[in-house]
Amino acid sequence: KTQVEQSPQSLVVRQGENCVLQCNYSVTPDNHLRWFKQDTGKGLVSLTVLVDQKDKTSNGRYSATLDKDAKHSTLHITATLLDDTATYICVVGDRGSALGRLHFGAGTQLIVIP
Amino acid sequence: EAAVTQSPRNKVTVTGGNVTLSCRQTNSHNYMYWYRQDTGHGLRLIHYSYGAGNLQIGDVPDGYKATRTTQEDFFLLLELASPSQTSLYFCASSDWDTQYFGPGTRLLVL
Repeated sequence: KTQVEQSPQSLVVRQGENCVLQCNYSVTPDNHLRWFKQDTGKGLVSLTVLVDQKDKTSNGRYSATLDKDAKHSTLHITATLLDDTATYICVVGDRGSALGRLHFGAGTQLIVIP
Repeated sequence: EAAVTQSPRNKVTVTGGNVTLSCRQTNSHNYMYWYRQDTGHGLRLIHYSYGAGNLQIGDVPDGYKATRTTQEDFFLLLELASPSQTSLYFCASSDWDTQYFGPGTRLLVL
């Protein structure tokens, strides 16, 4: 059974618009949650990591929230650019480090059009 | 910046063929991983290792062998490739804080 569900599966936005990506999970324990960006044909690059019971992070135009009670996270991208076109992957870790087992979502494919 | 490289980047083989995927990291990380990525699925862990000579079984190990020859090098072996192993394969290494991913190897088994 999939333990990390992402929505929407795909999303098309116009350059300059904002968008929100969702991640729901059932992983237990849920020590931390990380968002990755995967450009087509490339590896995953970490955008941000959330750790606290109710956490918020900000990294430039990317901001994220985590609510461990609801087992839910969001990734907000503001003022999208064409280079934001990529797949965004939500990953939940069950230990307090990257050395533990990671649970990957299938990703949200974001397409930014002019 | 952490560096993980994979080779080859693309590979085509036939059913029953023998394939070796290579991964090298230059970060002095102890942990290395092999994942496969398929449409509609998240990355799935095949094998991982926490040091030279060590091998741990992941979640989808059937049909795969792996070997960690040095701290830097981790190999994934498909001795009798099948079409179901057509996929995008990622290698990663990790320190305490995060995993660093290679660029991926796209494998097609005909």
